[in-house]
Formats: sequence, C-alpha cells, structure tokens
Amino acid sequence: GESVGLHLPTLSVQEGDNSIINCAYSNSASDYFIWYKQESGKGPQFIIDIRSNMDKRQGQRVTVLLNKTVKHLSLQIAATQPGDSAVYFCAEKTGANNLFFGTGTRLTVIP
Amino acid sequence: NAGVMQNPRHLVRRRGQEARLRCSPMKGHSHVYWYRQLPEEGLKFMVYLQKENIIDESGMPKERFSAEFPKEGPSILRIQQVVRGDSAAYFCASSLGEGEFFGPGTRLTVL
Repeated sequence: GESVGLHLPTLSVQEGDNSIINCAYSNSASDYFIWYKQESGKGPQFIIDIRSNMDKRQGQRVTVLLNKTVKHLSLQIAATQPGDSAVYFCAEKTGANNLFFGTGTRLTVIP
Repeated sequence: NAGVMQNPRHLVRRRGQEARLRCSPMKGHSHVYWYRQLPEEGLKFMVYLQKENIIDESGMPKERFSAEFPKEGPSILRIQQVVRGDSAAYFCASSLGEGEFFGPGTRLTVL
C-alpha cells in the first residue's frame, strides 16, 4: 500500500505486505531527516534517520529514501506486522535547530 | 542508559492555576527541546534550550509560558494561569545535536 501523506493520512495494509509512507518536506536547507513512530499515548519513537548527502538508508525492515530534487521523503516497511500499527511522522531539521514535523500518516495493519 | 524522562505523566489543573512540567534528558545530552501536540496533529516546536541558556523560544507564546534548563536538575516548562486551550500533550526531547529522542510526554488537562 502507498500513502501520499497530506492527501491520504491513513494507510491500511495486510499483514506481511510492504508499506510505503510518503512525506513532502518544505525547507530546501534542511540537511537531516528523521522518521518517527508514535503509538497511542506514547512519545515519538526514533525509527531511522538520513542526512541530505545520502539518498537511501536501510535499517531493520525499514528503508528511507530521500529525493532532494522534489523535496520528498519516503519510509518503506517490509513485511508489515500488526505491531507496526501507529502514526508515522517525518521530521526535518537544519543543523542543531528544532525539528519540523509533517502531518503524519496513520498506518493500520490488518491481520 | 535511561531514556528521556518526563513527569508527571498526567496533570490536571483548573483554569488560572500553574502547571510545571519536568524533563530529564538522556545522560550526556546537552540539548533539550519542548514540543506540544494536540490530538491527531503533529508536534509543534516550542523552545530549545541548552544548559542555562534559551537558544530559540520562537515557538513559545510570549505570555504565561516560560522554560528553563538549569545547571543542575531537570528542564522545566512552566505555564502560568492555565486556560482550557493549554490542554495538550507536551513532549520533551534531548539530543547531542542531531537526532532527537523523546520522552513519554505529559498530558495536561485544564478543567
């Protein structure tokens, strides 16, 4: 399944499928990006980050892609599991300044 | 290595009272950030502090709100004369400069 962020803030996928969550960021000077997972009633949990001098970074079951030309960021989750159900936020940063958060996408995994 | 700690986790105040929210950053982290989150929304930056210094308070209302990060002890976000519109989740994050790690948040309810 695929989300386009602001236009589709919810995403439902079958367990075992891959998920793609998209995010458009606003500041071309941003040089650091983070994806966070937030479960209900909890604080944002760091998932993966990427610097602006990279276009792809992989973690365990997650991959972040960065396209600076169109200011677009995506999070790919392989073999999505029920425990992945949460709201996912992208955030951008310039230097040591604060994070700017996107709207968020709610991912629901259907068993 | 304990993560970011916040207390209290839940705080109920009546209109006109004061709210004090505390944040202990991760060990070794010298940067502290405070964010506010309304239901179904992303986090909004409020203030960025380093030890004994406010670096950026551009996201914090000029009146009733203040923050500090003393040489010893936790960072404090103080809201005076609370109003119903202050009801939200307040999150603290700490970092060494780039990636920010969040605490569990304080949920403030103003009656």
